[in-house]
Amino acid sequence: ILNVEQSPQSLHVQEGDSTNFTCSFPSSNFYALHWYRWETAKSPEALFVMTLNGDEKKKGRISATLNTKEGYSYLYIKGSQPEDSATYLCAFSSDGSARQLTFGSGTQLTVLP
Amino acid sequence: EPEVTQTPSHQVTQMGQEVILRCVPISNHLYFYWYRQILGQKVEFLVSFYNNEISEKSEIFDDQFSVERPDGSNFTLKIRSTKLEDSAMYFCASSERGLSNQPQHFGDGTRLSIL
Repeated sequence: ILNVEQSPQSLHVQEGDSTNFTCSFPSSNFYALHWYRWETAKSPEALFVMTLNGDEKKKGRISATLNTKEGYSYLYIKGSQPEDSATYLCAFSSDGSARQLTFGSGTQLTVLP
Repeated sequence: EPEVTQTPSHQVTQMGQEVILRCVPISNHLYFYWYRQILGQKVEFLVSFYNNEISEKSEIFDDQFSVERPDGSNFTLKIRSTKLEDSAMYFCASSERGLSNQPQHFGDGTRLSIL
């Protein structure tokens, strides 16, 4: 059974603060790591797909890094804004089931104005 | 921007009844998926579908479940005889070609409540 863990479970930050959260996943048979942003009552929105060890991706104030050898990815948000409030999900796929995503529980971020 | 659409947004069904959840994937996408999230739990993979066949399925996707692409636009999930534990949010997703660097695009979900 593949286990994907995210920490922290929830996080409150002040507007303007930078923050980061962690996704850990099995380091063997790695295929891809996905990050999604999920606002309440909306669909999960794809942020990044990372496939190579050492990958770094950036989208505006949000960036992510990937370490496949030790099995973790970090998501960073620089200068958090209230509209960044959402649940951030990571999802892992393995070599044998490339399109089957295994999700973590998510990190619920609240940015206080 | 093109999006995945799901209907209905909420379905209430008596235990034992059949239910069909509907999805319209993004038009040029070739791979389709169903996931579910039971309240308070993680999002779980059910099935992937390509070229009119099931590509992968999880242990959850037993004989009670089936998927179909009845025409060129719809993708459906059928649960034959619903159980209380089938109550969950069901998400449809699609991806362009199922390659490793391509995201899966999700719909807003259908909340299924079994009474």
